[in-house]
Amino acid sequence: KQEVTQIPAALSVPEGENLVLNCSFTDSAIYNLQWFRQDPGKGLTSLLLIQSSQREQTSGRLNASLDKSSGRSTLYIAASQPGDSATYLCAVPYNQGGKLIFGQGTELSVKP
Amino acid sequence: NAGVTQTPKFQVLKTGQSMTLQCAQDMNHNSMYWYRQDPGMGLRLIYYSASEGTTDKGEVPNGYNVSRLNKREFSLRLESAAPSQTSVYFCASRGGGDTQYFGPGTRLTVL
Repeated sequence: KQEVTQIPAALSVPEGENLVLNCSFTDSAIYNLQWFRQDPGKGLTSLLLIQSSQREQTSGRLNASLDKSSGRSTLYIAASQPGDSATYLCAVPYNQGGKLIFGQGTELSVKP
Repeated sequence: NAGVTQTPKFQVLKTGQSMTLQCAQDMNHNSMYWYRQDPGMGLRLIYYSASEGTTDKGEVPNGYNVSRLNKREFSLRLESAAPSQTSVYFCASRGGGDTQYFGPGTRLTVL
């Protein structure tokens, strides 16, 4: 059974710091991996989706990498800002039907 | 472009009452999903619909029913609410690029 783990559960950094969030999964036979952001009391916003054939995806200050063989993905945030404070979740699909299995999330706090 | 909308935003029920959570998307997506989010348990799939007219169970379907009314709408019904169903419920849809788009959520409390 696929399991998705995110460590650490919470992270606090000073503004301007570069940081890495980690996501690991137990079954490397994934179709893709998606990173989401969730602000308190809000829904999830998709940040990046990496297909299984890709090694990384970039969007602005965000860069996500995928290493299927080791069962790991990282989300790199450059020059962090207080507005980046949120919970970041990674998710992989059960199958091609897109049913997602989520990690527990990393709660990020960026201090001014 | 509204994306995925959910109603109501908040709801309080008494044990045994029934209610329907509504979800609609305007992105012409085939697949739609219902998840619940609980502290310490994360997000878990309740039901999904791969296309209009089809539905299937997810990880935690007990106590729920769904209807895919048409391509736009996917509703979740609680026939007899229990305190264990207190949660935040999210609807999502998926396009051809595999990205899932989530609604703002319904915060349900069952007393």
